[in-house]
Amino acid sequence: EAQVTQNPRYLITVTGKKLTVTCSQNMNHEYMSWYRQDPGLGLRQIYYSMNVEVTDKGDVPEGYKVSRKEKRNFPLILESPSPNQTSLYFCASGVANEQFFGPGTRLTVL
Amino acid sequence: AQSVTQLDSQVPVFEEAPVELRCNYSSSVSVYLFWYVQYPNQGLQLLLKYLSGSTLVESINGFEAEFNKSQTSFHLRKPSVHISDTAEYFCAVSDRRTGANNLFFGTGTRLTVIP
Repeated sequence: EAQVTQNPRYLITVTGKKLTVTCSQNMNHEYMSWYRQDPGLGLRQIYYSMNVEVTDKGDVPEGYKVSRKEKRNFPLILESPSPNQTSLYFCASGVANEQFFGPGTRLTVL
Repeated sequence: AQSVTQLDSQVPVFEEAPVELRCNYSSSVSVYLFWYVQYPNQGLQLLLKYLSGSTLVESINGFEAEFNKSQTSFHLRKPSVHISDTAEYFCAVSDRRTGANNLFFGTGTRLTVIP
């Protein structure tokens, strides 16, 4: 089944404790991206990647890192999480005329 | 850069009544337009998209949207809603040069269908 998977789906952590949210797709897509969804703000892009070893900032990159060492994986790294990063995070992969979204990761930073 | 405005944050409507969810966009270049749906506690699913050709596009579950270039709008409509249509709907735009990559989303409209 073609899909985008994210892990974990739910995570509660404390300020300053480094964490990684994994994202994997099995559709051989070159393009992948991360969004965060906050009430009243919709989805905002954090980072995106056009291909392996090619990443670029989206609209809200501060406090996040990404890497793209393999085509299928695009992990999101929070080196020192803060409460304002409490949000619902979505990974997506895509082709020229459509993006496919993962199920989301709900992160709470205390 | 592109931007999307969804004027209605919440739309309650009775079952079997028609509904229109409004979307306006701003862009200095040609765009692709999308509607995504998010059911409770789920990820986003593509509902329909406008890439080129006919300005009226339809989904498999009865929704339709019309691209109006002069009014820079892409409103979503359904003539008769069902309880199962209760969800949040997001309008999105992308630059034709980058394709569907780098989507810019509106803030969403929560559709609640009342029995």
